Amino acid sequence: TQLLEQSPQFLSIQEGENLTVYCNSSSVFSSLQWYRQEPGEGPVLLVTVVTGGEVKKLKRLTFQFGDARKDSSLHITAAQPGDTGLYLCAGGDTGGFKTIFGAGTRLFVKA
Amino acid sequence: DAGITQSPRHKVTETGTPVTLRCHQTENHRYMYWYRQDPGHGLRLIHYSYGVKDTDKGEVSDGYSVSRSKTEDFLLTLESATSSQTSVYFCAISAVFDGGGSDTQYFGPGTRLTVL
Repeated sequence: TQLLEQSPQFLSIQEGENLTVYCNSSSVFSSLQWYRQEPGEGPVLLVTVVTGGEVKKLKRLTFQFGDARKDSSLHITAAQPGDTGLYLCAGGDTGGFKTIFGAGTRLFVKA
Repeated sequence: DAGITQSPRHKVTETGTPVTLRCHQTENHRYMYWYRQDPGHGLRLIHYSYGVKDTDKGEVSDGYSVSRSKTEDFLLTLESATSSQTSVYFCAISAVFDGGGSDTQYFGPGTRLTVL
């Protein structure tokens, strides 16, 4: 069974700080996605990475897919209160037609 | 925003009663999914559909059944609700289903179900 472990589980920082959250697995994934979820809403896709070593940037967010396609990271530069939310990584299951989600990192950015 | 609605948004029920949750989409997407979200577990797939009357089980399908009689509607039924099924349920849709998980899934707002 493919699993995705996210760390840290919870992160509380001051506005303006940088942070990195991690998504790790012992299994290879065909692709990895990052979603952001706000309270009372469903997750919203931020990015999909499909090539080992790939780096994608979305304004102050930088996403990286590990060379071996077993892990990914999300780096936020100069965090803002609007970045507060639950960040979920998700991977394509190479054994079947489904997406596997990590448990999430809950980020709180204080003004 | 993708046109996905879920009903009801909140429900409290008693153990042993049947419960049906509805997901309705206006995007005409072929693929639809039901997930449950619990603390420490992330999102777990219950059932999914790849067309009208075509459904399959996900990783946590025990105690749940689904039906899809129209493209726009995907129903999730708990035949006899148990306290372990207390959770937040999300419906999702996608236009493609490439088997690699890189398709974009659009999620509904969720249904919070409490089974007493």
